[in-house]
Amino acid sequence: GAGVSQSPSNKVTEKGKDVELRCDPISGHTALYWYRQRLGQGLEFLIYFQGNSAPDKSGLPSDRFSAERTGESVSTLTIQRTQQEDSAVYLCASSLDGRGYGYTFGSGTRLTVV
Amino acid sequence: AQSVTQPDIHITVSEGASLELRCNYSYGATPYLFWYVQSPGQGLQLLLKYFSGDTLVQGIKGFEAEFKRSQSSFNLRKPSVHWSDAAEYFCAVGRNTDKLIFGTGTRLQVFP
Repeated sequence: GAGVSQSPSNKVTEKGKDVELRCDPISGHTALYWYRQRLGQGLEFLIYFQGNSAPDKSGLPSDRFSAERTGESVSTLTIQRTQQEDSAVYLCASSLDGRGYGYTFGSGTRLTVV
Repeated sequence: AQSVTQPDIHITVSEGASLELRCNYSYGATPYLFWYVQSPGQGLQLLLKYFSGDTLVQGIKGFEAEFKRSQSSFNLRKPSVHWSDAAEYFCAVGRNTDKLIFGTGTRLQVFP
């Protein structure tokens, strides 16, 4: 597609439930990133996929967080047993070749855990 | 440790005034440097980037930034601010295939 698409745009879930967030990167972009943005804070790196390489999971805050990516297409970020501190905007970005030429960001998924 | 510091959490300027947003970084090598803007409810948009060469880079919407190696800084400037510039601004650093590291952002408010 023309841009990075994320769904849903908003998600309200009850504490303890699992959620799945989806990211459709720009076609042809081999690199895909997930970031978390808590209210009033900067972007916190979560995970990075580059082609067929093993993903860089160094930013995942706990084992409740996981992400998958099929080839160079869609990625899903899963949060199990959600907690209130998981409430944030989850941003996805893709880039060509994974180089620092500048990401293209999606509009994000606003997750609210009640 | 790699980090980005944006010391100003919130800046307020009058429309037509000049603007400078500060960014300092800590990185093992000379990184690539970026400024992004985030309008309410929107994703992040790239304003400008520095890789090498001329240390003064021009971006979109009339913004520019200057890389100063000796000060580990990459401050964003605009000579005359417009009301539509009100947004959150993020400085970021990275290199090649490294993930980008973002600052905590500066919220810009513009008064008419």
